[in-house]
Amino acid sequence: DADVTQTPRNRITKTGKRIMLECSQTKGHDRMYWYRQDPGLGLRLIYYSFDVKDINKGEISDGYSVSRQAQAKFSLSLESAIPNQTALYFCATSQGSAGNTIYFGEGSWLTVV
Amino acid sequence: DQQVKQNSPSLSVQEGRISILNCDYTNSMFDYFLWYKKYPAEGPTFLISISSIKDKNEDGRFTVFLNKSAKHLSLHIVPSQPGDSAVYFCAASETNDYKLSFGAGTTVTVRA
Repeated sequence: DADVTQTPRNRITKTGKRIMLECSQTKGHDRMYWYRQDPGLGLRLIYYSFDVKDINKGEISDGYSVSRQAQAKFSLSLESAIPNQTALYFCATSQGSAGNTIYFGEGSWLTVV
Repeated sequence: DQQVKQNSPSLSVQEGRISILNCDYTNSMFDYFLWYKKYPAEGPTFLISISSIKDKNEDGRFTVFLNKSAKHLSLHIVPSQPGDSAVYFCAASETNDYKLSFGAGTTVTVRA
């Protein structure tokens, strides 16, 4: 089983709909991240959380919100999806005491039509 | 503006030969650098890293070289194998800031 699990793995939604991507981890890491991958742009950070009570915006947070429900759970919401939010989304984790290496989930493909 | 740049979107190499992937960065505060490998339908996986106190780090067939004055790093894969065909991302961070900045990726194809 994957250490970092994302659900759903694939979703097609309509413009204006609210969509939530969920992430859970069994690695026991304190830090969690949401990244987005677009062709030619690589991976860009949306939000990150260093512990349950800590939420921080990344470089492209507009149009997104997050919730850290527990140390092991970090969800990403699109309140009103738009077509340019069509992308591959990755959840990731790291352990603050163990350096800068982060570990990714398998990704969630989101298509907004 | 992207702080980490991989200017070659793709690289094709024959099996057994060397693959050289390049990465440039603009933020002089970056002091920790990583390479990730990504197969289709999978998340990126950590490959190798280097701290700015070193100029070379080797792990099996993979070697990363860092040139701080040029703000440039490279990943060498020797010898290249078909299983190395993947997208490779360069990433960088500051030691006390645990967010990673990624390049756009280089797609490597190893030809038999």
